[in-house]
Amino acid sequence: DIQMTQSPSTLSASVGDRVTITCRASQSISGWLAWYQQRPGKAPKLLIYDASSLESGVPSRFSGSGSGTEFTLTISSLQPDDFATYYCQQCNIDSPCTFGQGTKVEIK
Amino acid sequence: EVQLVESGGGLVQPGGSLRLSCAASGFTFSSFWMHWVRQAPGKGLVWVSRITSDETPTYADSVKGRFTISRDNAKNTVHLQMSSLRAEDTAVYFCARVGPRLKGLFYWGQGTLVTVSS
Repeated sequence: DIQMTQSPSTLSASVGDRVTITCRASQSISGWLAWYQQRPGKAPKLLIYDASSLESGVPSRFSGSGSGTEFTLTISSLQPDDFATYYCQQCNIDSPCTFGQGTKVEIK
Repeated sequence: EVQLVESGGGLVQPGGSLRLSCAASGFTFSSFWMHWVRQAPGKGLVWVSRITSDETPTYADSVKGRFTISRDNAKNTVHLQMSSLRAEDTAVYFCARVGPRLKGLFYWGQGTLVTVSS
């Protein structure tokens, strides 16, 4: 199975900060790479699909980039609503999907 | 409106079995792959299984041989049969479906809690 290593595990930041979360895959991803936001007690929310495409309705301060084995989620200017946990996920068509271990974005 | 509603969670003893169901509505169920994802209390998301529209299953290594995913297109329902349950299977189990772009799980149920304990 492809392992997804997400960093950092926790990130302390202030409103207005630029925030970057990285996800590294143990092998090249030929399927899709997605990013999710999750708040406590809620189902995850899809932010980015296909590594860099912004899901409809998601604020433009969120962006994704990368290919192959290294991927990045960036929040250009952190807002109070963005303090949450973020996950990357890969899905190749011929192997199990996997999530990264998550990054908790906390208030500094 | 797409809706996914999980059921079947509860308390089960180690070594026991449980069958989860996810009732889908608001879309052509038979056309979409369906996924199960779980989350242990206070922990991260873990992908569990998926089933294609032509009923091909795929499993995470941690559940392979113990869990079986199936679908009933006549009833718009996906099931997860779980056996030989362990304490580490304790989690909220979500069913999910890709969104309109087919890349990324856009639609999620509310989850059903499975507790494995004696």
